[in-house]
Amino acid sequence: ETGVTQSPTHLIKTRGQQVTLRCSSQSGHNTVSWYQQALGQGPQFIFQYYREEENGRGNFPPRFSGLQFPNYSSELNVNALELDDSALYLCASSLGSQNTEAFFGQGTRLTVV
Amino acid sequence: DQQVKQNSPSLSVQEGRISILNCDYTNSMFDYFLWYKKYPAEGPTFLISISSIKDKNEDGRFTVFLNKSAKHLSLHIVPSQPGDSAVYFCAASGRGGTSYGKLTFGQGTILTVHP
Repeated sequence: ETGVTQSPTHLIKTRGQQVTLRCSSQSGHNTVSWYQQALGQGPQFIFQYYREEENGRGNFPPRFSGLQFPNYSSELNVNALELDDSALYLCASSLGSQNTEAFFGQGTRLTVV
Repeated sequence: DQQVKQNSPSLSVQEGRISILNCDYTNSMFDYFLWYKKYPAEGPTFLISISSIKDKNEDGRFTVFLNKSAKHLSLHIVPSQPGDSAVYFCAASGRGGTSYGKLTFGQGTILTVHP
């Protein structure tokens, strides 16, 4: 049974650029949620994908968008990067949309300069 | 609007003693609560959870207590071990409305267990 894997692990981008982060969900899981964790804070919910459809969104602007593929892997896209987007981006997978026991990947550390 | 709060940024405990981590919440729609542990350079690891229909859940050295009337939960670790040193996050989940499918996290508490 493979766990949740995210790529890349680290990334440096310039303000105004676009970025795509990837997540492979744990085997058998059909739900992926994305979180942003700023330094010294807890993770903040960005959105969730359940069976390829967005199923809930947090307080993030539309330049944060996502996709889920038929194999339940997922992408997080951020357009027009801002300095404040620098954070650890975490992907969590679960079976069903209740997130009762979501399993997290190791995260992607994004730095915007 | 911080709906889940961990008011202690850090906690230091001697090996073998009890560690008590606290968490308060404000949203009455929350009905499922989880604790995660996070080591540096790793994602959060699920530790233990509790449903709002219970007031206690135990798993080995870890026990979570829920006081719904006070909107408070706590994680007890007995006995504490140096390997327990990590950041602990409390998280809450609700059903229905905008809470559906979303985990709301506290800010985390850094636990240090000294040998």
